Amino acid sequence: QQQVKQSPQSLIVQKGGIPIINCAYENTAFDYFPWYQQFPGKGPALLIAIRPDVSEKKEGRFTISFNKSAKQFSLHIMDSQPGDSATYFCAASIQGGSEKLVFGKGTKLTVNP
Amino acid sequence: GAVVSQHPSWVICKSGTSVKIECRSLDFQATTMFWYRQFPKQSLMLMATSNEGSKATYEQGVEKDKFLINHASLTLSTLTVTSAHPEDSSFYICSAGRREQYFGPGTRLTVT
Repeated sequence: QQQVKQSPQSLIVQKGGIPIINCAYENTAFDYFPWYQQFPGKGPALLIAIRPDVSEKKEGRFTISFNKSAKQFSLHIMDSQPGDSATYFCAASIQGGSEKLVFGKGTKLTVNP
Repeated sequence: GAVVSQHPSWVICKSGTSVKIECRSLDFQATTMFWYRQFPKQSLMLMATSNEGSKATYEQGVEKDKFLINHASLTLSTLTVTSAHPEDSSFYICSAGRREQYFGPGTRLTVT
């Protein structure tokens, strides 16, 4: 119930492509869904987050799509660049709870020039 | 976003010694901080929740006597790895914030 399942494990796209990373959850109490970007040897950086009262959120080239009924959410990266090559983690937490983040296993994205 | 720092960024110690890692929230107060451990090419594993002024809450399977956490102020939490062994070598990361968690840059611990 506490798991967040993330796919794919790795993803290779060409520059300008639109990589899509998917996550699914079981616990309907989750109400906050952030995405983090991590470069090797660095801490994760918060990219964008969504709450279940909206179906989509955009920030720059990053878009989250949220499907509450399917308990799924995804990250889309528009016009991807080689500098976007990193590992991306989805996560979920419960408002008013322990605020602990439950992370997916991560997706290693490679954007080729 | 908010800034979280960690010190040191990397440390090498000998087996049997103790190592202290600091986590600071630089521009906000944090009553709660979180400590994670990350193995190569793996996700973040939550070790414990650090609560200002009270005892830390450890996740199942994490040895509280080995990983001592102190949250003495609203901007500082420390993780001490006691009697470190090579299997404790890992990347340790802290985070702070409420709904929006901000992560520190991480500390690479190598135990020889």
